[in-house]
Amino acid sequence: AQSVAQPEDQVNVAEGNPLTVKCTYSVSGNPYLFWYVQYPNRGLQFLLKYITGDNLVKGSYGFEAEFNKSQTSFHLKKPSALVSDSALYFCAVRDLSGGSYIPTFGRGTSLIVHP
Amino acid sequence: NAGVTQTPKFQVLKTGQSMTLQCAQDMNHNSMYWYRQDPGMGLRLIYYSASEGTTDKGEVPNGYNVSRLNKREFSLRLESAAPSQTSVYFCASIPGYMNTEAFFGQGTRLTVV
Repeated sequence: AQSVAQPEDQVNVAEGNPLTVKCTYSVSGNPYLFWYVQYPNRGLQFLLKYITGDNLVKGSYGFEAEFNKSQTSFHLKKPSALVSDSALYFCAVRDLSGGSYIPTFGRGTSLIVHP
Repeated sequence: NAGVTQTPKFQVLKTGQSMTLQCAQDMNHNSMYWYRQDPGMGLRLIYYSASEGTTDKGEVPNGYNVSRLNKREFSLRLESAAPSQTSVYFCASIPGYMNTEAFFGQGTRLTVV
């Protein structure tokens, strides 16, 4: 079975500082990994994904994520946070080998960027 | 380009009432999903449809039924609403490929009193 863990319910960071939102995963085979963002009263929006190749993936709004196979992690990062980045962030995984194409989501991490 | 459209956006039901949440996508996607979002619980899968004509239970199917009416539409029905079904419901669709992301509707905020 596949699973995703987001160990932090909330991350606080000052505007202009770098941010990291953590995600670890568990799959039986090779994962496809995704990050989504949810603004208040909106649906989830896709940010970026890791499929294969370069471990550093770049996505929308200046976000990037680093895939680390040995640590089974896929942390979301941004060099300089903006107040407008404040939102709920979800990590998700799809596992190729088990035949389960259903995406599994983490519980979400609330990112709060202080002015 | 509408993407994934959910109706209604808000609904208040009395315990025991029934209702159907509608979802339609115009992207010709094969698979469609219904999730519920509760504080601290993230997204939990209720039902999904891998392709037109098929539906399967997810993690929390009790109290719900679904219909994949055609390739575009995937509805979620609450036969007898309970306060525990107060939640925000999201419909999502994905093309038939493993490496593609999900596209979400705006959500339906349901309150059962």
